[in-house]
Amino acid sequence: EAQVTQNPRYLITVTGKKLTVTCSQNMNHEYMSWYRQDPGLGLRQIYYSMNVEVTDKGDVPEGYKVSRKEKRNFPLILESPSPNQTSLYFCASSLHASGSYNEQFFGPGTRLTVL
Amino acid sequence: QKEVEQNSGPLSVPEGAIASLNCTYSDRVSQSFFWYRQYSGKSPELIMSIYSNGDKEDGRFTAQLNKASQYVSLLIRDSQPSDSATYLCAVNRSGNTGKLIFGQGTTLQVKP
Repeated sequence: EAQVTQNPRYLITVTGKKLTVTCSQNMNHEYMSWYRQDPGLGLRQIYYSMNVEVTDKGDVPEGYKVSRKEKRNFPLILESPSPNQTSLYFCASSLHASGSYNEQFFGPGTRLTVL
Repeated sequence: QKEVEQNSGPLSVPEGAIASLNCTYSDRVSQSFFWYRQYSGKSPELIMSIYSNGDKEDGRFTAQLNKASQYVSLLIRDSQPSDSATYLCAVNRSGNTGKLIFGQGTTLQVKP
């Protein structure tokens, strides 16, 4: 089944404890992206990747890191989480970034709480 | 002015009616437009994409795009209670970043 997976689905952690949220897609998509969703602010892009070893900042990159060492995986790293990073996180992927076949498909989401 | 604007609703329609959802965008050179459905606590699910002016139909859903007026709409025919959700309009910004700019979403309630 073609899909985007994320792990963990739920996470409660404490301020300053490094964590990684994994994202994997099995559709051979070039483009991958991370979004966060907050009440009243909607969905905002954190980081994106056009292809392996190519990443760039979105609108709200502060406090986050990413890497794209393999085409299928795009982990989100919080080196020192803070309470303002409590949010619902979504990974998404598409075959291309623009033009045809740029529909983005979303993973199931990771609900993160930072105490 | 927000880049992508939607009426937050809620939009309430009776079962079997047509639901009409609207979205306007500010970046005149945007190329790709999407409608996602999101149930509470779940991930956005792509239901329609549209790239050129006019109408695009898929089952009970019709997307309409008017680039001159910078609006995109979604019609849902024969609305069902299971269509009750938040509908997100998303625009792929001009350029090659692939970033989707989302509206705040319109909550649709379909009453039996």
